[in-house]
Amino acid sequence: DAKTTQPTSMDCAEGRAANLPCNHSTISGNEYVYWYRQIHSQGPQYIIHGLKNNETNEMASLIITEDRKSSTLILPHATLRDTAVYYCIDCDDKIIFGKGTRLHILP
Amino acid sequence: EAEVAQSPRYKITEKSQAVAFWCDPISGHATLYWYRQILGQGPELLVQFQDESVVDDSQLPKDRFSAERLKGVDSTLKIQPAELGDSAMYLCASSSHEGTEAFFGQGTRLTVV
Repeated sequence: DAKTTQPTSMDCAEGRAANLPCNHSTISGNEYVYWYRQIHSQGPQYIIHGLKNNETNEMASLIITEDRKSSTLILPHATLRDTAVYYCIDCDDKIIFGKGTRLHILP
Repeated sequence: EAEVAQSPRYKITEKSQAVAFWCDPISGHATLYWYRQILGQGPELLVQFQDESVVDDSQLPKDRFSAERLKGVDSTLKIQPAELGDSAMYLCASSSHEGTEAFFGQGTRLTVV
């Protein structure tokens, strides 16, 4: 079973930053925080991952709290193409998906 | 850009028939995953391979499902006999090794009638 908890759905206005939270209450020291997203009718797509430090790439930024019990995925300027289900995962050697957050970008 | 290839994209089969799905991972990726995704839910891990060895098949319904990766490259997932409840998207993914980012194929959408 998935070990993370996420809100079921969120809305964000186009052009604004989308901040997606995740709770990792049982994360262990060797598990990375991974984020994937799944656009309708496609396979999941890797976004970003981190262990302790905040990370940024061309798609998003990842903020991990010092105790590693929560993380936030930030899409800095959301577009309609960012409408998808977003999954956060505690990953050591397996990728176990939960129910994710359905993000709606509003025009 | 390298991709995970899956075929067929769509499959309709009658219940009690056999059905098979094929996956070709990104070249050089040692870890291969098969997932099942029912509409409205997250993907469920069915089986994970490291090279040709199964490292986790705890959620695979072994009375009707089988998976193989004989040469540690491409893989086949089989269902025999198919049941109505097997209707779902079957996703394959690969990663360079365990615990690294996975790349997913487009999936095979199975409808059992």
